Amino acid sequence: AQSVTQLDSQVPVFEEAPVELRCNYSSSVSVYLFWYVQYPNQGLQLLLKYLSGSTLVESINGFEAEFNKSQTSFHLRKPSVHISDTAEYFCAVSEGFKTIFGAGTRLFVKA
Amino acid sequence: NAGVMQNPRHLVRRRGQEARLRCSPMKGHSHVYWYRQLPEEGLKFMVYLQKENIIDESGMPKERFSAEFPKEGPSILRIQQVVRGDSAAYFCASSPREAAAKVETFFGQGTRLTVV
Repeated sequence: AQSVTQLDSQVPVFEEAPVELRCNYSSSVSVYLFWYVQYPNQGLQLLLKYLSGSTLVESINGFEAEFNKSQTSFHLRKPSVHISDTAEYFCAVSEGFKTIFGAGTRLFVKA
Repeated sequence: NAGVMQNPRHLVRRRGQEARLRCSPMKGHSHVYWYRQLPEEGLKFMVYLQKENIIDESGMPKERFSAEFPKEGPSILRIQQVVRGDSAAYFCASSPREAAAKVETFFGQGTRLTVV
């Protein structure tokens, strides 16, 4: 069975600073990776995904993630965060019809 | 097109009572998945249903938990004789066909169950 490890449970950062949320996965076969965001009191929204092709994937709100097969990582980055980015971020991997989630990283953006 | 609708959003039950969580999938979606999020943990798969069929329930606790997705109406996750350890957020997701990496799964806002 696959697993996903998010190394940081909480990441506090000042507004306009860069941020990286770390994610490692365990898989020896083809892997499909996702980042979901959960804003306070809301459901999960798909932020971005890697299926194949370019190892760098981007979202519409400035986040990007890079698939690194040798390091089995899929870290999420943003060069300049906003207060509105405060949320919980989940890294996930597809396993058939199941989605395997990491424990989540809470991003706090401070003014 | 409304998203995945779950109700209630918050549910408080006393130990020993029953909890019923409802999920209406997105229009046109006939595949429903339930996930549970325990405090400080990620979401864990519970069960996968299609209309009138349970496809995979490998993540469901063996006792007290059941799920259904009838021909008409929402999917129901039922927890009998709730205990404090059942306190969690329960998320429903749906997809137009069997979920896969290239078939996006849409999540509801969740039902937060508190057992007192």
